[in-house]
Amino acid sequence: NAGVMQNPRHLVRRRGQEARLRCSPMKGHSHVYWYRQLPEEGLKFMVYLQKENIIDESGMPKERFSAEFPKEGPSILRIQQVVRGDSAAYFCASSKTGGGQPQHFGDGTRLSIL
Amino acid sequence: GENVEQHPSTLSVQEGDSAVIKCTYSDSASNYFPWYKQELGKRPQLIIDIRSNVGEKKDQRIAVTLNKTAKHFSLHITETQPEDSAVYFCAASRPGAGGYNKLIFGAGTRLAVHP
Repeated sequence: NAGVMQNPRHLVRRRGQEARLRCSPMKGHSHVYWYRQLPEEGLKFMVYLQKENIIDESGMPKERFSAEFPKEGPSILRIQQVVRGDSAAYFCASSKTGGGQPQHFGDGTRLSIL
Repeated sequence: GENVEQHPSTLSVQEGDSAVIKCTYSDSASNYFPWYKQELGKRPQLIIDIRSNVGEKKDQRIAVTLNKTAKHFSLHITETQPEDSAVYFCAASRPGAGGYNKLIFGAGTRLAVHP
């Protein structure tokens, strides 16, 4: 039973480019969460999605960041016009249902901005 | 909003000793408290969790206690081994829109177990 799959594992972008991070939840999970982790820091909630719906995006920066979870395919976290401060590890987690169910994490995407 | 404080930030123990990590939370409506272990460059792994209707939970060498009145919870690792060395994160969550739980993480504790 495959776990949460994220790709790419490492992504390098130049300032001003776009970054697309993908996340496929565990089989049977329909709830996806994105977190950002800066070096030597904890994880910060960004957004929570169910299929085709954004439930809570209170942790997302107001500009340049967007997320989707289409009916078919993985969840996508998109960062437009990247800046150096976007360099971080981005983790996706999934859960079977929403209410207090364990969240299982993927291996993350380490984004580096040149 | 919810705030989670975690102490200590670093912890060094000898192999075989016990390790205790403590967290406090601010939102009295929080009802789910997981603990994650993260090794360098790897994913956070859920090691144990507890819900607000339970005061203590144990799984082999790991135990978690919850004091709802004081709004704090702790991770206890007994008979530590070098492979327990990692960063440990506590988290708290409360029901949100649609009944889901958004995790708010502590800043982490770097545990080093010396042979």
